[in-house]
Amino acid sequence: KNEVEQSPQNLTAQEGEFITINCSYSVGISALHWLQQHPGGGIVSLFMLSSGKKKHGRLIATINIQEKHSSLHITASHPRDSAVYICAVGGSQGNLIFGKGTKLSVKP
Amino acid sequence: ETGVTQSPTHLIKTRGQQVTLRCSSQSGHNTVSWYQQALGQGPQFIFQYYREEENGRGNFPPRFSGLQFPNYSSELNVNALELDDSALYLCASSRGGDRSLYEQYFGPGTRLTVT
Repeated sequence: KNEVEQSPQNLTAQEGEFITINCSYSVGISALHWLQQHPGGGIVSLFMLSSGKKKHGRLIATINIQEKHSSLHITASHPRDSAVYICAVGGSQGNLIFGKGTKLSVKP
Repeated sequence: ETGVTQSPTHLIKTRGQQVTLRCSSQSGHNTVSWYQQALGQGPQFIFQYYREEENGRGNFPPRFSGLQFPNYSSELNVNALELDDSALYLCASSRGGDRSLYEQYFGPGTRLTVT
């Protein structure tokens, strides 16, 4: 079993829909990261959180430390949100352990 | 601030050859991590450097080696290339020695193809 599991693996939505991507992890963490990767490879950090909830524009990230679960929400989705969204947690060597990612496609 | 840059962007090598990939950290960052991302997978941790010293290593063989320079730029060297080394190689820089506690800044990656 992977230390970081994401669901769903693939997600297709219509423009304007509310989107939720889930992440579960099995290791103790100091922080959890949500990242966005566009075709071609570039990765952008969206959120880093260790408790509660963070909001940036139409993106909201929540984490429940007791349940070892985090969610990334996108409100009023837009085709430009189409990307791979990756959840990552801190490993024992201070590195990041990544999930496999969720490929999101938002149709106009 | 200048962002994280990597060179080259694409590279084709033959099995058995050696390759060097380069990464320039974001200004003010003293920590760099290297990751390998196979197609359709999440990145896998190769190693990290903090103030020019290796500060952690993932499950990669010794033919994967690295350096960090006084200006905090970094190199990833891979010897005796194998077909399975074909992947996107990403570097990420941050402040501090424990990258999990700091925001990560990723470079655009180097796409390596081994034939």
